[in-house]
Amino acid sequence: EPEVTQTPSHQVTQMGQEVILRCVPISNHLYFYWYRQILGQKVEFLVSFYNNEISEKSEIFDDQFSVERPDGSNFTLKIRSTKLEDSAMYFCASSDYREDTEAFFGQGTRLTVV
Amino acid sequence: GENVEQHPSTLSVQEGDSAVIKCTYSDSASNYFPWYKQELGKRPQLIIDIRSNVGEKKDQRIAVTLNKTAKHFSLHITETQPEDSAVYFCAARQGGGGSYIPTFGRGTSLIVHP
Repeated sequence: EPEVTQTPSHQVTQMGQEVILRCVPISNHLYFYWYRQILGQKVEFLVSFYNNEISEKSEIFDDQFSVERPDGSNFTLKIRSTKLEDSAMYFCASSDYREDTEAFFGQGTRLTVV
Repeated sequence: GENVEQHPSTLSVQEGDSAVIKCTYSDSASNYFPWYKQELGKRPQLIIDIRSNVGEKKDQRIAVTLNKTAKHFSLHITETQPEDSAVYFCAARQGGGGSYIPTFGRGTSLIVHP
């Protein structure tokens, strides 16, 4: 069964550093998403991406964040100048072109900012 | 925007008992209501969903009910087993297009005691 894969599984970074979280969505999917889950809290939407551009973003997704699809397979989330409060599990997800279909989640990248 | 409330935050049951998790939503335009199960340290996985044109849906030991008038939907698990122990998230989203941006509830930690 196709899966969304994310790397790394765990990233530790110094406050103020930049990190790039990587995702390989399911190959025939057209919509890509990033979600964040702070420990013990609910999953929060960050951004959706379609046709090589951001289609929607939440208020969490400020200028500190950016997304990119650098090639035909990868989808990345960049966090500039990380803060302690950026520590969370970051989930990538993808969905196909059909209306009202679910998104499939990757296994997540745990980001720890120290 | 949409607001999803989920109760209880923790639910402890004995193996074999039933478990019920309840959610309410605020946006009457929401028409798709998925439920996710998240085991410790793992990705959220869709376990069942319901659309607004249906009042109830069942899949083996799990069932969902939807009351559009009251903007209320529930997850029912019968004959609970220890492997049902996980955090369960409800979500609500508006249909239309392929973009999948659900609003999640805060989660219910279900503990099934053998």
